[in-house]
Amino acid sequence: EVQLLESGGGLLQPGESLRLSCAASEFTFSSYVMSWVRQAPGKGLEWVSSVSGSADSSYYADSVKGRFTISRDNSKNTLYLQMNSLRAEDTAVYYCAKGNRGRGVVYFDHWGQGTLVTVSS
Amino acid sequence: DIQMTQSPSSLSASVGDRVTITCRASQGISNYLAWFQQKPGKAPKSLICAASSLHSGVPSRFSGSGSGTDFTLTISSLQPEDFATYYCQQYNTYPFTFGPGTKVDIK
Repeated sequence: EVQLLESGGGLLQPGESLRLSCAASEFTFSSYVMSWVRQAPGKGLEWVSSVSGSADSSYYADSVKGRFTISRDNSKNTLYLQMNSLRAEDTAVYYCAKGNRGRGVVYFDHWGQGTLVTVSS
Repeated sequence: DIQMTQSPSSLSASVGDRVTITCRASQGISNYLAWFQQKPGKAPKSLICAASSLHSGVPSRFSGSGSGTDFTLTISSLQPEDFATYYCQQYNTYPFTFGPGTKVDIK
């Protein structure tokens, strides 16, 4: 069974940086697009970023472009999200999601349990 | 960006009821439409992809239909475990976008 385990969330002040991780198992990690989706408290789902299986293509929501960087280490079966210049509006649960193929547009077929990031002064 | 809308935003229903949720895209997305179920404090669960294909393990009382801009999710006979919020999402084009959600609660 596909397993996705996020970690790295916490309480930060505006302007600080944080790196989230998502450890994947029970599938061939390098063969699938991986993504981050977030959910602010009491709000809906918002796609944040996706990266192709080979890491040669990445995509970002306008709300995080230039501040967040998605990456992956296929040798460690781990997805990352480097979050810089954090703002209060970045406060959310961040979910890692597996795509159904290796590149291009994908359907999210499995989700992690999420990690909470709180940005507050 | 493609905007996704859902109706209704919430509904109250009883066990055994037939429930239909509508999702509309601001432009055509072929059948690149997914549905997710989310319960309070839990991660989303994948229900349907490609507008009408059930994800592995999803009960057959769930079904999806539509193409282009208009889509529906139907639960043929609502069960106690189905009370949740349902989101549609287009994956035709980046940036992927979600609908605002439809909360299904107990009448």
